[in-house]
Amino acid sequence: DTAVSQTPKYLVTQMGNDKSIKCEQNLGHDTMYWYKQDSKKFLKIMFSYNNKELIINETVPNRFSPKSPDKAHLNLHINSLELGDSAVYFCASSQDIGGNQPQHFGDGTRLSIL
Amino acid sequence: GNSVTQMEGPVTLSEEAFLTINCTYTATGYPSLFWYVQYPGEGLQLLLKATKADDKGSNKGFEATYRKETTSFHLEKGSVQVSDSAVYFCALSGRAGGTSYGKLTFGQGTILTVHP
Repeated sequence: DTAVSQTPKYLVTQMGNDKSIKCEQNLGHDTMYWYKQDSKKFLKIMFSYNNKELIINETVPNRFSPKSPDKAHLNLHINSLELGDSAVYFCASSQDIGGNQPQHFGDGTRLSIL
Repeated sequence: GNSVTQMEGPVTLSEEAFLTINCTYTATGYPSLFWYVQYPGEGLQLLLKATKADDKGSNKGFEATYRKETTSFHLEKGSVQVSDSAVYFCALSGRAGGTSYGKLTFGQGTILTVHP
């Protein structure tokens, strides 16, 4: 059973388009995250939600809008895609917002902007 | 703010060699420290963690000790295998009451390649 699953795995699209990435976790965790990994493997948090409430928003452009319909899902919608948005996006979850808990990651969505 | 610095890679070793990947951090208070591993085409997996000073995390032959006095959390393995080839990330998580509460800050990652 996949613990944190995100779809699609690959996303190739044109500049200016709008796209969404979906994430679901079946671990019963309260907290979910979105990370962006650039071509040099550097990982940076974008958002975190705890029980559907936004906790962290790391100065991400407002073209990126997360939505959490319930605590098992955290989707990421991106408007007006730009070349610089090309990256691998990872969803993750943890039991709670506390700093001791490890995070469980999905396999990533590779977004390529043409 | 919090930050994590890892030794630059890539690191290339022969099978059965000793591995050290250095990691130092800057943080307020007493963060939790983690090592994550990313195999090709996959997401990150927790390798080990330590939540307080002098704790030693260990898993799959890897070890790291939380050293508050040197603000370090170096990863070691006595004898690496080809299957250990991956990207390794050191990370810290802020504790309750701080501005970085619940937020993982990652180092830049170290690519490890092990040859037979």
